[in-house]
Amino acid sequence: EAGVAQSPRYKIIEKRQSVAFWCNPISGHATLYWYQQILGQGPKLLIQFQNNGVVDDSQLPKDRFSAERLKGVDSTLKIQPAKLEDSAVYLCASSPGVEQFFGPGTRLTVL
Amino acid sequence: DAKTTQPNSMESNEEEPVHLPCNHSTISGTDYIHWYRQLPSQGPEYVIHGLTSNVNNRMASLAIAEDRKSSTLILHRATLRDAAVYYCILRDNRDDKIIFGKGTRLHILP
Repeated sequence: EAGVAQSPRYKIIEKRQSVAFWCNPISGHATLYWYQQILGQGPKLLIQFQNNGVVDDSQLPKDRFSAERLKGVDSTLKIQPAKLEDSAVYLCASSPGVEQFFGPGTRLTVL
Repeated sequence: DAKTTQPNSMESNEEEPVHLPCNHSTISGTDYIHWYRQLPSQGPEYVIHGLTSNVNNRMASLAIAEDRKSSTLILHRATLRDAAVYYCILRDNRDDKIIFGKGTRLHILP
């Protein structure tokens, strides 16, 4: 079974630029999550989708971050404009119910 | 959200059992105890979960105290590939969210 796919794996941008990350969850998983993991910390939930609807986006900095999940499958997370403190690994996970399956993440460096 | 307390780091020798403790004194009746681990440069992976009874799977065992205020993840025979950060998480069964703490960084000595 294919796992959660994410791209790109690495991205370096300058502050105030925009960036987008893509996630393809495991087929059939209704729930999709985006997490931000800053070095030395555990992942922090940014947004949770159930099919193509948002369940929880309370931790998403909505002035600069946006996410969508079209047709209840793939998802994109965008940052516009980026700040230095956005440097982190962005993880996507999908779940059929109890267990969450994580992708390899995208490492973002903001200079 | 209920919180968990774990040691920052632990060491163990290869091929020996490892017991990773977790305290969760404010656990509620609807909280399941979940463990995930994160190997270097990878996303977290699910290890095991339980409610009241001890649980076993191919990766590990989970021992839950009778009062549910603490639990222990047991790796029966550690290998170098088990070196990772291990997260103990309480998940309310009414909700799909899991909240990660800082976890325990496990070092395996050859």
